[in-house]
Amino acid sequence: AQKITQTQPGMFVQEKEAVTLDCTYDTSDPSYGLFWYKQPSSGEMIFLIYQGSYDQQNATEGRYSLNFQKARKSANLVISASQLGDSAMYFCAMRITSYDKVIFGPGTSLSVIP
Amino acid sequence: KAGVTQTPRYLIKTRGQQVTLSCSPISGHRSVSWYQQTPGQGLQFLFEYFSETQRNKGNFPGRFSGRQFSNSRSEMNVSTLELGDSALYLCASSPPDGTYEQYFGPGTRLTVT
Repeated sequence: AQKITQTQPGMFVQEKEAVTLDCTYDTSDPSYGLFWYKQPSSGEMIFLIYQGSYDQQNATEGRYSLNFQKARKSANLVISASQLGDSAMYFCAMRITSYDKVIFGPGTSLSVIP
Repeated sequence: KAGVTQTPRYLIKTRGQQVTLSCSPISGHRSVSWYQQTPGQGLQFLFEYFSETQRNKGNFPGRFSGRQFSNSRSEMNVSTLELGDSALYLCASSPPDGTYEQYFGPGTRLTVT
């Protein structure tokens, strides 16, 4: 069955430090996409980064990078130089091409400490 | 370009009533998806519409329904409300380039009393 696991319910990081948020996924379908979203306390989901299953290189978007390890079925989000505004819930999600629905993980709450 | 808008932002209803939520996607986006977010169940997919047709549906009872209009605006309806329907309902639209990126609206927070 398709599933996303985020094993860190809550994390703390010092401002200006880097932090890695873990995400593992389960699918037997070869074609899928992996996403990370940020949800501040206001509730709106903000798209951060996307990685396709056939992409050879890890995706990067500004301070966000996705550490994609296909054999291990992991898609960890790395945030460099954390800022106070990074404090939020972070969701890992997967869309399987044949299944055509987006599945979200339970989320990780990140708190950035000044 | 304006983002995804959802109305109303907050809603309080009584058990047994019905409710209609509205979503206007980003201009040019034809795919609209709906999600329910609760503390206990997390984010769950409700349904997706594309060009006025329901393309996919999650595991929700028939009380949850939706539709999409020719201008891509979408509505979702919940009939015979239950206390457990209290949630944040999020709408997302996707561009037509097949990247599957989703842009979310601010959500409608529904409270059922």
